This record gives sequence, structure tokens and C-alpha cells, in this order.
Amino acid sequence: EAQVTQNPRYLITVTGKKLTVTCSQNMNHEYMSWYRQDPGLGLRQIYYSMNVEVTDKGDVPEGYKVSRKEKRNFPLILESPSPNQTSLYFCASSWGTGGNTEAFFGQGTRLTVV
Amino acid sequence: QQQVKQSPQSLIVQKGGISIINCAYENTAFDYFPWYQQFPGKGPALLIAIRPDVSEKKEGRFTISFNKSAKQFSLHIMDSQPGDSATYFCAASSTGNQFYFGTGTSLTVIP
Repeated sequence: EAQVTQNPRYLITVTGKKLTVTCSQNMNHEYMSWYRQDPGLGLRQIYYSMNVEVTDKGDVPEGYKVSRKEKRNFPLILESPSPNQTSLYFCASSWGTGGNTEAFFGQGTRLTVV
Repeated sequence: QQQVKQSPQSLIVQKGGISIINCAYENTAFDYFPWYQQFPGKGPALLIAIRPDVSEKKEGRFTISFNKSAKQFSLHIMDSQPGDSATYFCAASSTGNQFYFGTGTSLTVIP
């Protein structure tokens, strides 16, 4: 089954404790991205990757890191989480952007930083 | 700066009515305009999409109307059903560049 898998689904952590949210896709997609969803603000892109070893900042990259060492995986790293990073996070993948490229989203990770 | 502006933020419609959600953009380089539907606890999923070379696309009860000169596009849901209650996001992108999403519209269809 074609899918984007995020782990964990739920996470409660304390300020400053490094964490990683994993994302994996099995569709051989080149484009992967991370979003955060907050009430009234919609989906805001954190980082995206056009291909292996190619990453770019989205609209809200501060406090986040990513890496793309393999085509299928695109982990999101919070080196020192803060309460303002409490949010619902989504990973997505697609063949590319523009044209008729459908983005497939994971189930989401609800992160709470206390 | 919001690349894609979406309205309204929330919408309540009677069963059988028409739901209309509007989006506007500025970047004329955008060449793909999808709408995503999100149910509680789930990730967004593609509902319908349009390219700027057509003015309308219809799939079942869902229609996108596209006005290139006004840089606006809208989603129309005909004969709205309670099962359509969800959050809807418009988006825009261009080849080689990131997706931009609107702020979302929470649709409630009352039985």
C-alpha cells in the first residue's frame, strides 16, 4: 500500500530535550516536506527536499533541522524544543511540485512541549 | 506573506445546500491549484485539482472554478452532505518550487 508513515503519532516532551520525528514513504517520491498545522494558520511549510541531499527552508524553519540521506526517509529534528513548537506536524511526499503532482500526507504527529 | 489567501475560515451549510470556499493568489508562476480535504485525526488528502489553462473542473459534486485574470479560484460543493464536514485547504505550486497552502476552511454540514 502506498503510504507516508510518521512516528510517533503522539509525543509529549520537555523543553530542551532533543527529539526526532521520523517520516518514510514507499512511493519512490523525490519531493518530501514537513508542515506544521496550527489553528487559524493552516499548513505552514517548515522544510522541503527536492531530492536526496537537497533540502531548503520553508516558511517557518526556525528551531528545526532536517536531513535527506535516503530517498525514502526525511526525519524532522528539534534540537532544543520550546513550547511554541507545540503543534500538529505532517510529513508529505510527491513526485515533484506543480503540474499534476499529488502530495500524499502522513497521519500526523501531535507534539506537546511542556 | 501569505501566498494563498483563503476564505471563509469557517462555514456552516444545510444538508443539500451549496458550499463555496474561495482562494486568491498573487504569483502568476503557479501552475497547479489543488484542493485538499482533511477529516479529524487524519492527514489532508487530495480532493480535486486544476491547471490554469482551464476555467472549470468538475468531479462528482465537487467543482473548481478558476479565474486566471482575477487570480482567484474556488471550490463548490453541490448537494452538501454531513459526510462532507471537514477542513478544506486550497493550495498552489509551480514546477520546482514548494507547495503553498491556504489557512483552511472548517465546513460543517447540518443534517
